[in-house]
Amino acid sequence: EVQLLESGGGLVQPGGSLRLSCAASGFTFSSYSMSWVRQAPGKGLEWVSAMSNSGDNKPYADSVRGRFTISRDNSKNTLYLQMNSLRVEDSAVYYCVKCSTACQHNWFDSWGQGTLVTVSS
Amino acid sequence: IQLTQSPSSLSASVGDRVTITCRASQGISSYLAWYQQKPGKAPKVLIYAASTLQSGVPSRFSGSGSGTDFTLTISSLQPEDFATYYCQQLNNYPFTFGPGTKVDIK
Repeated sequence: EVQLLESGGGLVQPGGSLRLSCAASGFTFSSYSMSWVRQAPGKGLEWVSAMSNSGDNKPYADSVRGRFTISRDNSKNTLYLQMNSLRVEDSAVYYCVKCSTACQHNWFDSWGQGTLVTVSS
Repeated sequence: IQLTQSPSSLSASVGDRVTITCRASQGISSYLAWYQQKPGKAPKVLIYAASTLQSGVPSRFSGSGSGTDFTLTISSLQPEDFATYYCQQLNNYPFTFGPGTKVDIK
């Protein structure tokens, strides 16, 4: 059974940093592209970033490019999202998502339970 | 690529046939997925490649369309189907989601 367990969320001041982690199990992590999706309270879904299984392709949403960095450690079956220069509008539940193979031209087949990030002074 | 969904919300009864539409601002071939989200829970994929039912999803859900116009149909609404439904395009980065359609009980 695929399991994706996010951690690292919390309360941070504007301008601060957080690193989210997603521990994956139940599948061969190194074979799949992964992604992050966020959802502000009471709002819709917003794609944030993705990463190919090899790590050579890392697209970002315009809203986070230059501030967020996605990475992965295939030896630890873990996906990361380093978030810098956080803004109030980055407050959301962040979901770790497994793509069916590559992300592009495929689909998101498994989602974690999410971790809440609150950016507030 | 922008996605619009209609309606934004609807009220329906158990047993009703429900249709939700999703329109893309440019052609996305069949690279569209539909997700269901219940309050406080993560989304779950229902349909991918516009019309392929995800394993384990009841057959009352179906999808159709290609290019710019897509539909999600629930043939006979069940109590557990009351939720918010999102379409998503995976043709090009940045991936985008529709704004969602909330289905609640009439």
